[in-house]
Amino acid sequence: SYELTQPPSVSVSPGQTASIPCSGEKLGDKYVSWYQQKPGQSPVLVIYQDSQRPSGIPERFSGSNSGNTATLTISGTQAMDETDYYCQAWDSRTVIFGGGTKLTVL
Amino acid sequence: QLQLQESGPGLVKPSETLSLTCTVSGGSITSTSYYWGWIRQPPGKGLEWIGTVYYTGSTYYNSSLESRVTISVDTSRTRFSLNLTSVTAADTAVYYCARHVVVAAAAADSWGQGTLVTVSS
Repeated sequence: SYELTQPPSVSVSPGQTASIPCSGEKLGDKYVSWYQQKPGQSPVLVIYQDSQRPSGIPERFSGSNSGNTATLTISGTQAMDETDYYCQAWDSRTVIFGGGTKLTVL
Repeated sequence: QLQLQESGPGLVKPSETLSLTCTVSGGSITSTSYYWGWIRQPPGKGLEWIGTVYYTGSTYYNSSLESRVTISVDTSRTRFSLNLTSVTAADTAVYYCARHVVVAAAAADSWGQGTLVTVSS
């Protein structure tokens, strides 16, 4: 079955750019979505179709997808961005989630 | 504004069946643009997709749960349901219902608040 792999944690300094990778075989051939989940809350869609931002999501969130890796990029990272992020793809009529990455802003 | 609300027992005994319902308001459950799905999250762990249903009743399931899962849709009552049989402690999780966008590779653009289901005797 298809798998998506994320690093358990990523660190970034305030104001800098954070990059969170998500890898899978020929992932660039699929659309990838990204979710932000704060403690005790439901996930929120921040990127869909690799690089599209839903209404209300700040412009500092962007995405890309090529080869075997999709990347969520947060420019000018703020303290409020410190939380968990999940990638997601659709393969053979199944929804696949990555294991999640905890972003630390320090 | 679309809203999804999960409902059902918060405590289920081992070997019994977990049953949850998601009520959809502020939008049409019969839209051709969306799937309706269930996702769970064990305490302190990541997201696990359980399955999705289309308004026609077509379903897709996580292969690891397929033998125990049934998801159905009731278009007249604008709700869809999850049944998970023979539960164990490993099924303890927060269960979310969500709307998935068909053309966006099932991106889940709207989620319920989640409901914690504990499996314990």
